[in-house]
Amino acid sequence: SQKIEQNSEALNIQEGKTATLTCNYTNYSPAYLQWYRQDPGRGPVFLLLIRENEKEKRKERLKVTFDTTLKQSLFHITASQPADSATYLCALPYSSASKIIFGSGTRLSIRP
Amino acid sequence: NAGVTQTPKFQVLKTGQSMTLQCAQDMNHEYMSWYRQDPGMGLRLIHYSVGAGITDQGEVPNGYNVSRSTTEDFPLRLLSAAPSQTSVYFCASSGGEAPTEGEQFFGPGTRLTVL
Repeated sequence: SQKIEQNSEALNIQEGKTATLTCNYTNYSPAYLQWYRQDPGRGPVFLLLIRENEKEKRKERLKVTFDTTLKQSLFHITASQPADSATYLCALPYSSASKIIFGSGTRLSIRP
Repeated sequence: NAGVTQTPKFQVLKTGQSMTLQCAQDMNHEYMSWYRQDPGMGLRLIHYSVGAGITDQGEVPNGYNVSRSTTEDFPLRLLSAAPSQTSVYFCASSGGEAPTEGEQFFGPGTRLTVL
């Protein structure tokens, strides 16, 4: 079965630094991978989608890479701010676009 | 657009009771899914649907039933609640077409406690 692994430990970094989160997957070759943000007590919110033929994608201060050989995606937040503190989840389609499975998420804390 | 709505927001059940969690979306999305989220476990897919009348099992379907009689609604039924079903339940929908295929819109969640 498909397995998605994210840093289980919380990531604490200083404001202004770049935060880098990792998502690894096994036993599958997804056509794309997604990243979501989740704040406490709320549902996840979609951030970015990167396809298997894209090496990198950017959106404002966010950058995502996708290495299909390593079966890994990296999620970067540059010039991090305390407002970026949240849990970040990666997700991918398992067998079809209608069946999306998630990693366990990484909690990111940005200290002023 | 209200997006994805879920009711109730909170529910407490006794072991063995049954109930239905409601989910509705007004975006005319074909795909809808139910997830449960437990501490440290991330989101786990319970059931999903690719359109009215079509449903399938996800990663953790046991103890849950779903039906999809309309595009808008996707209720989740707990037949006989167990303490292991204590969790936060999220409903999600997506349009399923490029370039945003699979981008899921989530409801606010239902926090369920089974005593």
